[in-house]
Amino acid sequence: QKEVEQNSGPLSVPEGAIASLNCTYSDRGSQSFFWYRQYSGKSPELIMSIYSNGDKEDGRFTAQLNKASQYVSLLIRDSQPSDSATYLCAVRGAGGSYIPTFGRGTSLIVHP
Amino acid sequence: SAVISQKPSRDICQRGTSLTIQCQVDSQVTMMFWYRQQPGQSLTLIATANQGSEATYESGFVIDKFPISRPNLTFSTLTVSNMSPEDSSIYLCSVEEGAETQYFGPGTRLLVL
Repeated sequence: QKEVEQNSGPLSVPEGAIASLNCTYSDRGSQSFFWYRQYSGKSPELIMSIYSNGDKEDGRFTAQLNKASQYVSLLIRDSQPSDSATYLCAVRGAGGSYIPTFGRGTSLIVHP
Repeated sequence: SAVISQKPSRDICQRGTSLTIQCQVDSQVTMMFWYRQQPGQSLTLIATANQGSEATYESGFVIDKFPISRPNLTFSTLTVSNMSPEDSSIYLCSVEEGAETQYFGPGTRLLVL
């Protein structure tokens, strides 16, 4: 069974700091990796996708993928209180397995 | 990305009754999915709604409990049948657009008393 593991948190960081969110996955053949942000009472929204090893930057967000170690991370620079949310990691396999597996999410709290 | 709407946004229902949730997309999409998210939990896929054929259900979910319709490429319904308090959850419609990416509707918050 494919598993995606995340620390549930909460992860608490001060405003302006770097928040680091981590995710590990069990399926070594996974090909696609996604980070979703979910505010309380809202539905998940896609913020980053990454497909190859290394870093991918988009504004204050950087996704990092290491397939050999089977982990993917999300860095949020200059964290703002508005970044306070639950961050869901999703992993998609290869070979026709098109349904992503979601982690439980990490709750991030950015305090002023 | 596609704009997805769901109705109702929330409901409170009595046990033993059924509720049908509607999902409307503003563009034609091939893949539509129904998820459940219970408090403090992650997303659990209920089924993939296939246009013109029966839905494909995940382990632990059956058609009698969660019948799904997909009459065209922009619309789907999920019915939660014979509800019990354990069915209290957020139900989310999702569609897939290019690059293997899923987008979610606003969700339906269901409370069963």
